[in-house]
Amino acid sequence: EAGVAQSPRYKIIEKRQSVAFWCNPISGHATLYWYQQILGQGPKLLIQFQNNGVVDDSQLPKDRFSAERLKGVDSTLKIQPAKLEDSAVYLCASSLNPTGNGYTFGSGTRLTVV
Amino acid sequence: SQQGEEDPQALSIQEGENATMNCSYKTSINNLQWYRQNSGRGLVHLILIRSNEREKHSGRLRVTLDTSKKSSSLLITASRAADTASYFCFQETSGSRLTFGEGTQLTVNP
Repeated sequence: EAGVAQSPRYKIIEKRQSVAFWCNPISGHATLYWYQQILGQGPKLLIQFQNNGVVDDSQLPKDRFSAERLKGVDSTLKIQPAKLEDSAVYLCASSLNPTGNGYTFGSGTRLTVV
Repeated sequence: SQQGEEDPQALSIQEGENATMNCSYKTSINNLQWYRQNSGRGLVHLILIRSNEREKHSGRLRVTLDTSKKSSSLLITASRAADTASYFCFQETSGSRLTFGEGTQLTVNP
């Protein structure tokens, strides 16, 4: 089974620039999550999709972050404009259904904002 | 948020020794999961224990769950240098925000 694919692997941008991350979950996984992990901390949930609908985006800073999953498969996470404190690893995960199963994580995108 | 707390924050042992990490949580759960994260990589799902289970084994891993104390422990037996990583517990609850704790950093010295 192919894993969760994320790209790019690394990204360095200047503050106030825009950036987008892409995630392709495991085939058939209806639930997709985006997490932000700041160095030395645990992952923090940004947004959860069930198919192409948003289940939880309560911790997503909506003034600068947006995410979509138009066809219920791939997802993109965008930051516009970026701030220094957005420097983190952005992890995408998917699961077969919202509860009762483990999550499969991608390798993440390491973002550095300078 | 349903954030678990791992204990200890850091653990350093010699190869061959056992490593025990603990996790405490606050509310009722559907299941509890343990994940490993190697430096700079994504998280890898290790084991899931359901709320009606008390103990589960997977290879060198043993997980216990005490719902009365709202705690879980992960035991890694006969540790290897390759077990060096951060370990996170994660609780699934019904209708709650899903969050990880800060993790336990395990270092296994050869």
